[in-house]
Parts: sequence; C-alpha cells; structure tokens
Amino acid sequence: GAGVSQSPSNKVTEKGKDVELRCDPISGHTALYWYRQSLGQGLEFLIYFQGNSAPDKSGLPSDRFSAERTGGSVSTLTIQRTQQEDSAVYLCASSLVMGMTYNEQFFGPGTRLTVL
Amino acid sequence: AQSVTQPDIHITVSEGASLELRCNYSYGATPYLFWYVQSPGQGLQLLLKYFSGDTLVQGIKGFEAEFKRSQSSFNLRKPSVHWSDAAEYFCAVGAKGRRALTFGSGTRLQVQP
Repeated sequence: GAGVSQSPSNKVTEKGKDVELRCDPISGHTALYWYRQSLGQGLEFLIYFQGNSAPDKSGLPSDRFSAERTGGSVSTLTIQRTQQEDSAVYLCASSLVMGMTYNEQFFGPGTRLTVL
Repeated sequence: AQSVTQPDIHITVSEGASLELRCNYSYGATPYLFWYVQSPGQGLQLLLKYFSGDTLVQGIKGFEAEFKRSQSSFNLRKPSVHWSDAAEYFCAVGAKGRRALTFGSGTRLQVQP
C-alpha cells in the first residue's frame, strides 16, 4: 500500500507569508506526528495526533505554528507570518497505536520550506 | 526528559570494512530505542528497534545493534559496508507514556571505494 505522502515537496515563500503543509498518513494509522529537520537543530518533534486530537503539542516552537487533523486522516501544519528561521524540512510520520505498545513510525519524504 | 547523543558527526569507511556508529541515551527507565537511516532526499527508514528482551537486535540491510544498559548505549554495527550504505543515520529514543521520538543529531556515513 501507499506510504506517508506529503505536499508540496518544496515550498518557497517570502518572509511574513502564511504557509500550509499537508500530510496524508498510511491508511488505518491513527497516530500522526510532525517533526522538523533543520541544520542547526537536527530533528525536532513538533506535534502528535491521536485521531483528531493532539495530546502532545509540546514541540510547537511558537504560536505561529498550528496543526489540525480531520477525519482521523489528513493533517495540515500551518505556519503564520513565516520567518527565515522557519526554513527547514518538515517531516510527517504515522503509526498504528495498539494499547501501550510502541509502534514503528513511518516517515514521509518531507516538505522542504525555504523562507526568503 | 530523555536525550540522545551521537558523538560522531561524520564517519568515512572503506567498502567492505566493518562499521560501528555510536549512540548514547539518557533516560531514567528502560527506553525504546531505534535506528533510522536517511538517504539524500529521502524520508527516514527504520533499520531496527529495541523494546525489551534480547539485547542484540537484528535489522534490515545486514545491520545489528546492541543495547548495553550499563553504558546507556545502543551502537549500530555492520560487518561489511556496501557503497549503498552511504547515508545519514539517526538514533532515536522513545519513552513510556510519550509517543514522540527524541532523535540524536545524526552521523553521516561516507563509503570509499
């Protein structure tokens, strides 16, 4: 079956503009994660969804960042008033959730965001 | 909070040579440990994982890793490296009660012919 898909693959925007990044998880995966990969900070966790709710959003760096998930499937990460430091690769992952078992996270190819 | 250290930023090995990538973690209880590989322009692919049980775990592509509680380490090994193994390798830790992974800073592997 299809893996995790993300769109767009590349996004170039001007400082101050809003951007939306999309993630389509693997069908049937109830957990969805957003991470950010940047040169200075490595791979950082942003937010975790279980179904449509986000029990852990501790990694969102500022209130300019928000995310939602609808229908227990597609998720959108929105960055408002983008800054140059937001330039990074944004990775989405999904996994099954079975009780307390820790399940493998499957990653998408990422969206490379460049803020000019 | 948990943390992961990968002390080697960049490693170069000759094709056919053995490989060991180091990973140290900090976590109060038994962690869930992972190694991921990222090829240029690609997402992360899971190589192997440790949850409990046998401390030597086998993964895909001929990789293995050993969990050593006394050293808080989870080093990745491969007996004979292939040119296609050139990539960036990430060690990650998961904690009970928290689904998010904490990643190390990565080790970039270069393979010389």
